[in-house]
Amino acid sequence: DVKVTQSSRYLVKRTGEKVFLECVQDMDHENMFWYRQDPGLGLRLIYFSYDVKMKEKGDIPEGYSVSREKKERFSLILESASTNQTSMYLCASSPRAGWDTDTQYFGPGTRLTVL
Amino acid sequence: AQSVAQPEDQVNVAEGNPLTVKCTYSVSGNPYLFWYVQYPNRGLQFLLKYITGDNLVKGSYGFEAEFNKSQTSFHLKKPSALVSDSALYFCAVREENNAGNMLTFGGGTRLMVKP
Repeated sequence: DVKVTQSSRYLVKRTGEKVFLECVQDMDHENMFWYRQDPGLGLRLIYFSYDVKMKEKGDIPEGYSVSREKKERFSLILESASTNQTSMYLCASSPRAGWDTDTQYFGPGTRLTVL
Repeated sequence: AQSVAQPEDQVNVAEGNPLTVKCTYSVSGNPYLFWYVQYPNRGLQFLLKYITGDNLVKGSYGFEAEFNKSQTSFHLKKPSALVSDSALYFCAVREENNAGNMLTFGGGTRLMVKP
């Protein structure tokens, strides 16, 4: 089974702090994604990466950055956390080719609260 | 641009009755369509997808969905609902020529199955 893990299930930070959210997948997937989930808004794509050291902005990249130094790990960084970044953050991965190329596999999510 | 709409925030159904969760989409070319389910405090789990072929797609846990090109819909169905089906359901779409496997998600529909 594909496994996507996220470093924390719950996180509480203060305004202005630098926040790191880590995501690791064990299926050698090329593509990795970061979403935020807010009630009524569904999932919105923040950033995605289709290879090591490659990244592309999604729909709402402002206030976020990402890092992908290794294929299995994709980090989301909040340079200076703000209260409007309080949300559920979901990481996902998918293969670039093959029969399963379009299926994204999700981690359990990190619920971030910024005070 | 690709988009997807889930017109119902919540669907209520009695256990044993059939259920339908609605989804409509908009893409420029051929759509790839997905349903995901989210149980409380969990990440999203893949249910089923339509890429090509038969319009009726069968997925996990007895769910199925029907692709209707003329109505641009991909409604999720189950003949007999279970209380354990209560969860948040997301429809997602990707255009065939969308590089990077980026999905666009709907806002989600909460399914409540009552005993």
